[in-house]
Formats: sequence, structure tokens, C-alpha cells
Amino acid sequence: GQQVMQIPQYQHVQEGEDFTTYCNSSTTLSNIQWYKQRPGGHPVFLIQLVKSGEVKKQKRLTFQFGEAKKNSSLHITATQTTDVGTYFCAGNAGKSTFGDGTTLTVKP
Amino acid sequence: GAGVSQSPSNKVTEKGKDVELRCDPISGHTALYWYRQSLGQGLEFLIYFQGNSAPDKSGLPSDRFSAERTGGSVSTLTIQRTQQEDSAVYLCASSPGVGNGYFGPGTRLTVT
Repeated sequence: GQQVMQIPQYQHVQEGEDFTTYCNSSTTLSNIQWYKQRPGGHPVFLIQLVKSGEVKKQKRLTFQFGEAKKNSSLHITATQTTDVGTYFCAGNAGKSTFGDGTTLTVKP
Repeated sequence: GAGVSQSPSNKVTEKGKDVELRCDPISGHTALYWYRQSLGQGLEFLIYFQGNSAPDKSGLPSDRFSAERTGGSVSTLTIQRTQQEDSAVYLCASSPGVGNGYFGPGTRLTVT
């Protein structure tokens, strides 16, 4: 069945450093979604990417969807302490499959 | 409200008892997912409803787990003869399309 691999599992950065998490799907996706889950909270939808090679930005966050629609990345520029949490991707190919998430901690 | 709601927010039950968890999706959303999340872990897919299609039950861990979605809206996840390993946060998500979109706040289940 469809598998979505997400790396790294954990990332510790100094405030102001950049952060990137990557998702790779075993199958071609119709779209991919990204979520953020704060400690103790539930996943909150960030964005959906649909087109091959699509790049979307939300302030310091940049989301990319690969040309083959099998991989995606989330990049945060100049991390802040408010960025802490776990970032999940969810690949959709008839059904949504989540990656295991990347937990980001930011040292002030 | 406009979001996905779940009830109860917390449930403590004794091992061997049955529990029912409820999800009220956003009105008009055809897709509804159930996941569970253990402390510090990722999201474990349980079941997926899409419109009037037969649900995808491939994630249910055992036959003690079942779910229904009545009238294409409210969904109930039932766990029979609960075990301690069933303790987790159970999350529901709904969407107008295939993806999840919107998560509810979850039900924290503790089996003692």
C-alpha cells in the first residue's frame, strides 16, 4: 500500500536557524497537505499542494511539491520559538496517508 | 460551531468495558477519517469514510474496533472490551475532498 516517509524525525535548531522537513511517497500523489501540531494540541492544516513543481509561501514557510508529485518539503527560514511543534505531511492518492512527522525544537 | 467537534474530550474506562467516541464533522464534508495518536507518536490511521462508498477499514487494529457514519454526517467509533494498549488520543478529521483538512480536538481515552 501507499507509504509516506518523513525525515528527519527530530530537529533541534538555534533560534534564527533554518529548518527543513522532507516527505517521500511510494506512489504518485494527487496532492499533499502539511499540518502543524503544537505540543498538547491537534494537527492544524497549513497548506495543500496540487500541481507538479508547485511552490507556495506563507511568511517564513516555503512548501514545495516535486515534479514527479512523489515528494515534498517544508522549509522554515529563521526559526522562532513559536515554530516549535511537530510538522506532518499527508499524501493523498485516493486516501490520505500521514508521514510520521518531524518534531522541531527551537533553542532561544 | 464551524469546526469538527468530538465528544467526550476525556474518557477513563476500566479494562474490558466498551466505549463510544463521537465525531461531528463540518457540515457538508464528505470525507471523514479516524486516527489515534499515542503520546509523542505519529498519527495511526484507523478508518476512512468517503460519501456513500464503503468505508476503508484497513487501519482498524482488531475486530474490537468498529465505526459507523450515519447519514453521511456524525460518526461513532466503538471499542469493545477495551485493553490498556487502547489508551491514546483518538482524532477525527473531515474534508470536502480526499484529504483530511480539519481535525477535531480529539478524545483522550485512558483504560485503567
